Amino acid sequence: SQKIEQNSEALNIQEGKTATLTCNYTNYSPAYLQWYRQDPGRGPVFLLLIRENEKEKRKERLKVTFDTTLKQSLFHITASQPADSATYLCAGSSNTGKLIFGQGTTLQVKP
Amino acid sequence: DAGVIQSPRHEVTEMGQEVTLRCKPISGHNSLFWYRQTMMRGLELLIYFNNNVPIDDSGMPEDRFSAKMPNASFSTLKIQPSEPRDSAVYFCASSPGTRGLGHNEQFFGPGTRLTVL
Repeated sequence: SQKIEQNSEALNIQEGKTATLTCNYTNYSPAYLQWYRQDPGRGPVFLLLIRENEKEKRKERLKVTFDTTLKQSLFHITASQPADSATYLCAGSSNTGKLIFGQGTTLQVKP
Repeated sequence: DAGVIQSPRHEVTEMGQEVTLRCKPISGHNSLFWYRQTMMRGLELLIYFNNNVPIDDSGMPEDRFSAKMPNASFSTLKIQPSEPRDSAVYFCASSPGTRGLGHNEQFFGPGTRLTVL
């Protein structure tokens, strides 16, 4: 079945460092990958979208890559801050609009 | 804009009862999605609509679940009869669909936390 896999273990890093989160997809080829942020008790909030023919996309301190050979996307937060602590969800979408989400990776940035 | 509106925010019911969750998408958005989130299974797509028409309901767990979208500004997700294993947070999301169905971010509501005793 089509799957999006993220590291289920929490990622703990020090403030100011770069956080790198991994997303792998199996058994399909999404046309787009999307990244969302989810805070406890809230709905996910869209951060970035990258197309399969784009290698990299940036938005302020965020950078996302899409490697169709490795079937992987990396999500980077540079100069991380305690306010970046949240769960980050990766989702693959096809041209039909259907999103398949990964389980999410929880990031904890320590001051 | 108020964003996606869901009601109720919390629902506690007893096994066997009917539960109806409601969603008002963002005005002008033509795609609407219902998701269920649990610790074990994460965020799962149940059903989605485009221009009020159900496109894919393959995620609906069983016949006890049904969803409707009678107009562009309202959708319901009904569980009848409810069971304890239906306990989860149910999210509604909408998407503008202006750039092709897959190329649009989704805007999520605050969710409905359902507890079935």
